[in-house]
Amino acid sequence: DTAVSQTPKYLVTQMGNDKSIKCEQNLGHDTMYWYKQDSKKFLKIMFSYNNKELIINETVPNRFSPKSPDKAHLNLHINSLELGDSAVYFCASSQQLFSSYEQYFGPGTRLTVT
Amino acid sequence: RKEVEQDPGPFNVPEGATVAFNCTYSNSASQSFFWYRQDCRKEPKLLMSVYSSGNEDGRFTAQLNRASQYISLLIRDSKLSDSATYLCVVNRGSTLGRLYFGRGTQLTVWP
Repeated sequence: DTAVSQTPKYLVTQMGNDKSIKCEQNLGHDTMYWYKQDSKKFLKIMFSYNNKELIINETVPNRFSPKSPDKAHLNLHINSLELGDSAVYFCASSQQLFSSYEQYFGPGTRLTVT
Repeated sequence: RKEVEQDPGPFNVPEGATVAFNCTYSNSASQSFFWYRQDCRKEPKLLMSVYSSGNEDGRFTAQLNRASQYISLLIRDSKLSDSATYLCVVNRGSTLGRLYFGRGTQLTVWP
């Protein structure tokens, strides 16, 4: 009955590798997001999609590429991983695009790049 | 200047205490305001929205001062289970769906 799920929960990999994180929501929401929470605990938006359309593309290196095959899924692919990419990545969804709607977060993917 | 500024704490209070957190935001066009709660190594969850007239949800009271661009959260009769990080969250009025999170205020309630 998980509302927003992410896989994997933990990801340890070496610099230079390519990895993907998957996200699915079963809430019937139109909008999905990727956030990054760094070691200082700041949570920053990276991308948002509304009905599979990219809406927000924050200043993120183009090594990061989101993909939304349908409105229930939003995946994040990262090429050529760097040490600075180590963080917790949260997927979230909201009923609609407007920021007055509550955002529901997944459990997070803890990425460690060595 | 950061979009949302919060005192990171930590706040350490005994059970039953009243504790208040403050937050300021930089964009006067902001329209939506929230407090989210994040437990250690967990995802953020909405605690409450903040309305212009102020609002209360049980032991929690949120206030908004648009003139000073200031938001507050008051927790009365603290419980051990209130221990968490409290995130002040604000939108930028012109950008749909974009929320800005403060770095959070850490609260520990001790018995």
